[in-house]
Amino acid sequence: GEDVEQSLFLSVREGDSSVINCTYTDSSSTYLYWYKQEPGAGLQLLTYIFSNMDMKQDQRLTVLLNKKDKHLSLRIADTQTGDSAIYFCAGYSGNTGKLIFGQGTTLQVKP
Amino acid sequence: DVKVTQSSRYLVKRTGEKVFLECVQDMDHENMFWYRQDPGLGLRLIYFSYDVKMKEKGDIPEGYSVSREKKERFSLILESASTNQTSMYLCASSFDNEQFFGPGTRLTVL
Repeated sequence: GEDVEQSLFLSVREGDSSVINCTYTDSSSTYLYWYKQEPGAGLQLLTYIFSNMDMKQDQRLTVLLNKKDKHLSLRIADTQTGDSAIYFCAGYSGNTGKLIFGQGTTLQVKP
Repeated sequence: DVKVTQSSRYLVKRTGEKVFLECVQDMDHENMFWYRQDPGLGLRLIYFSYDVKMKEKGDIPEGYSVSREKKERFSLILESASTNQTSMYLCASSFDNEQFFGPGTRLTVL
């Protein structure tokens, strides 16, 4: 079935760039999403990319999509302590109409 | 702004109790979802609903049921709570393919 994989943990220093990676298996995914979850809160949509795009930039966030390798990444420039959170990658399956989530990557930002 | 609310942020129940988790959205969305979130496993879909009185099983429906009597409200029911249902439960609603999440209910079953 569909699967989305992420590494579980990333630690960076404040001011550095963070890159969170994700791989997916469902080639019918029409949209790919990045959600952010702060401690004790629900998920907040950060950004998304259509499957026919290679890149999307939104202020400090850059999403790169490699459809051939089914690889998605989220780059956060000038990472701040407020960026510390769990980041979830998700793919929207056109076949099932469901979102498939990765395990979540915990981003730790050290001052 | 879309608002999805969940009835409780924290809940403690005993094994065997019947548990109701309520979710309400105020944007007239047709689609609503219940997930559970466990460390290292991400979000797993329990049930979803595309319309009033409609329900579909997700990936892990065992031990759960749902009710959708009104468009804005989607309830998750644990008929007889067990300790392995201790988790964070997240509700979402969607228009098209973008999902909006509630703050979550952390359920502990003793």
